[in-house]
Amino acid sequence: EVQLVESGGGSVQPGGSLRLACAASGFIFSDFAMNWVRQSPDRGLEWVAFISSSSGTKYYADSVKGRFTVSRDNANNSLYLQMGSLKDEDTAVYYCARDPGQFGGYPDSLQIWGQGTMVTVSS
Amino acid sequence: DIQMTQSPSTLSASVGDRVTITCRASQSVSTWLAWYQQKPGKAPKLLIYKASGLESGVPSRFSGRGSGTEFTLTISGLQPDDFATYYCQQCSSLPPTFGGGTKVEIK
Repeated sequence: EVQLVESGGGSVQPGGSLRLACAASGFIFSDFAMNWVRQSPDRGLEWVAFISSSSGTKYYADSVKGRFTVSRDNANNSLYLQMGSLKDEDTAVYYCARDPGQFGGYPDSLQIWGQGTMVTVSS
Repeated sequence: DIQMTQSPSTLSASVGDRVTITCRASQSVSTWLAWYQQKPGKAPKLLIYKASGLESGVPSRFSGRGSGTEFTLTISGLQPDDFATYYCQQCSSLPPTFGGGTKVEIK
């Protein structure tokens, strides 16, 4: 079964850091580009970051550029999002999501989603 | 950024109804448009890709049409499992952006 499972969410103070992880199974992880998407009542669904299958291409939303870093470990079928300088508006459910096609170099539709992990930024 | 506007924001319908949701883009996205279904507490689920492509496993009562700036998602014969919130997303240009959602409620 194709599956994505996020972890690492929690509560953090403004200015703090958090690292999210996404464990992939049921498909050849190293063949697919991956994304992070977040959802909050205030901002709705918001794409956050993209990483190509080889990590050679990365894109970020302007709202997180310079504060968040996406990375992956293909040997361990894992995707990461290192979040720093966190702000109240980063509070959201964070999803990892897989591109539909192999070796994509640009964000596409999001075919497979994890169940999400909640990040709360509050003092 | 390309703005995606969905209408209506809420739709009340009965089982068996044919319902249509509209998504408009602030500039042309060609056919780089996807539709998702989301139920409370769950992740979005891909229904339609490239404006009209039916994702594997999705019932054929779901269909998508459109190109450029105007798109529709139609559910032909609403089923109890279809009461949910639906989102469109453009993947034509960075950043990918989503519509605000259409909640399909039971009348």
